[in-house]
Amino acid sequence: TQLLEQSPQFLSIQEGENLTVYCNSSSVFSSLQWYRQEPGEGPVLLVTVVTGGEVKKLKRLTFQFGDARKDSSLHITAAQTGDTGLYLCAGDVYNFNKFYFGSGTKLNVKP
Amino acid sequence: DTGVSQNPRHKITKRGQNVTFRCDPISEHNRLYWYRQTLGQGPEFLTYFQNEAQLEKSRLLSDRFSAERPKGSFSTLEIQRTEQGDSAMYLCASSSPGRGVDGYTFGSGTRLTVV
Repeated sequence: TQLLEQSPQFLSIQEGENLTVYCNSSSVFSSLQWYRQEPGEGPVLLVTVVTGGEVKKLKRLTFQFGDARKDSSLHITAAQTGDTGLYLCAGDVYNFNKFYFGSGTKLNVKP
Repeated sequence: DTGVSQNPRHKITKRGQNVTFRCDPISEHNRLYWYRQTLGQGPEFLTYFQNEAQLEKSRLLSDRFSAERPKGSFSTLEIQRTEQGDSAMYLCASSSPGRGVDGYTFGSGTRLTVV
């Protein structure tokens, strides 16, 4: 059983569209991270959220941490082909710096 | 600093052979982690070091797996008597001291194929 469930698993959209992907759990996290991974490469950290209800923006990407620190969402505005990749969320349950990863959302942005 | 470096990038081995991977973390990071990622899944935790001490090992790390970080700098992950089920991407990551709020810096991984 995955500690973190990500949805949707796959998403294919046209360039310019908006999208939201979700990361859900029944566990409370001391921190939660979002990563983007391209084929054959390691994940690259996008953002870390720590406080319940926190919202962070990174250009066209908006990250939200749930009030109860059990879930998170990533919203992309006006998607570009360069946004294509696997988006992973990862949570640190015990503040021990060991992260549990979801299975990811594979995003394909078509030109 | 060039980030986290992993070698080799790719390894093809025959079943039953031993393989060893190397990870060079970011120099000021005292924590080093090994993860394994199979196709369609997120990375799964294997083990981590703080300096040279191995502080935790996952149940995924069978007796055939061993990891070392002898001087608190680079680390090696060895798999003995490889099996086809060991085929995966092996990822190394490092992090800075203190709370985990900074997340990880990952290397590009070593892709292992056992034939």
